[in-house]
Formats: sequence, structure tokens, C-alpha cells
Amino acid sequence: DAGVIQSPRHEVTEMGQEVTLRCKPISGHNSLFWYRQTMMRGLELLIYFNNNVPIDDSGMPEDRFSAKMPNASFSTLKIQPSEPRDSAVYFCASSLGGLAVHEQYFGPGTRLTVT
Amino acid sequence: QQPVQSPQAVILREGEDAVINCSSSKALYSVHWYRQKHGEAPVFLMILLKGGEQKGHDKISASFNEKKQQSSLYLTASQLSYSGTYFCGTESMGSSNTGKLIFGQGTTLQVKP
Repeated sequence: DAGVIQSPRHEVTEMGQEVTLRCKPISGHNSLFWYRQTMMRGLELLIYFNNNVPIDDSGMPEDRFSAKMPNASFSTLKIQPSEPRDSAVYFCASSLGGLAVHEQYFGPGTRLTVT
Repeated sequence: QQPVQSPQAVILREGEDAVINCSSSKALYSVHWYRQKHGEAPVFLMILLKGGEQKGHDKISASFNEKKQQSSLYLTASQLSYSGTYFCGTESMGSSNTGKLIFGQGTTLQVKP
């Protein structure tokens, strides 16, 4: 299995620009999570989906952030407009979901730099 | 509420043992442990569930004290490959079976030859 795939791996953009991060979960996984990691705040959960439906977006910092999961094999995290404080590594993770507790498999991450 | 990990950092020689602790102020349903090497993604190590069930790594052990909302990860006979940052992720009773994890701030482990 290819694992969780994220693109791009690195993104450098100027303040005010729109940024779109992409994620392909592991086939057969029903839950998808978006995290942000910074030195100051650690690993934060932004939003998660179950069966393509957003379940909890309480971690999304503000209205500039939005996430979608149009189908079981694709999700996007969009930042519009981007700000320097959005600079971080963004991870996507997936798990089997369902009633049992399952481990999460993380993608390689997207390192975002906003100048 | 973010769980608290201790210690923040530890340095070991190969073959030495270490314990990493994770403490939460909320009643917990499960505790997950992950290891992250520099520049890489977190990798799953172990899940401990309320009621005693465990699932994960053969060479790493952990405990979960449900009453105290605490978990400990035991690294015995450490190897160079154990170096990295260890995170606990907690799933509270209010979020049980959702997969929603709140991660601690991490414990950096360095194993020296």
C-alpha cells in the first residue's frame, strides 16, 4: 500500500495568496484527520472527517481555513488568504474508523512557508 | 485540554531504560503513543484502551491507569533507533470511538552510543 499521500511536500507563498493542500488517504480508511505542527503549539488537530462528512472542525483556527472531502479518496485543506503565522507543517492522517479504536497513519506532511 | 508529558527531554546511552509519562485532566477512553523522527511524520507505536486492552509494538510496553488518567511508555534496553520525539495522544470519554486525539507536547529522546 502506498500509504497516505500528501501534496505538495513543500509550499512557499506570499502573504495574501490562496494555498491548497491535498491528501489521499489509505484505501479503505473511513476517517481522515488534518493536523498542524509548529514548535510553539505542537501537533494540533484542525478537523476530521468520518465517511467523508466533517465531524469536528473546532480546531480550525479561523474562517480563512476550510477543508473538504468530496469523496473517500481525496481531501483538501485551503487557506485563503494566507498569513505568515500559518507557516507550519500540515499533516493528513487516516484510520479505519468505525466502532473500534484504530491507529492513525500519517502522511509525509506539507511544509508551508508564508512570507 | 492538552495532556502533559514528562520529562520534556531525556538523553540515554544505548542499553539504558527510559519511562515517558502522559497525564490528562479528563477521563480517558484510550491513549495512543507515536514516535516522530526529525523531518518525518509521526509513526504509530501503541494504543491502550480503557479496560486493559492493548494493541501495538512488540518491543515497547506501556501502561494505562484509568483512575489517574495517566499513561506511561517504557523503553527498555534502548537502541540508537529509539531516538526521536514521543507523543501521547488522548481520546477522552466524551469523544470515545471518534478517533479524535489531543496530543501532548512531546518528549524528545536521544540515545547515544
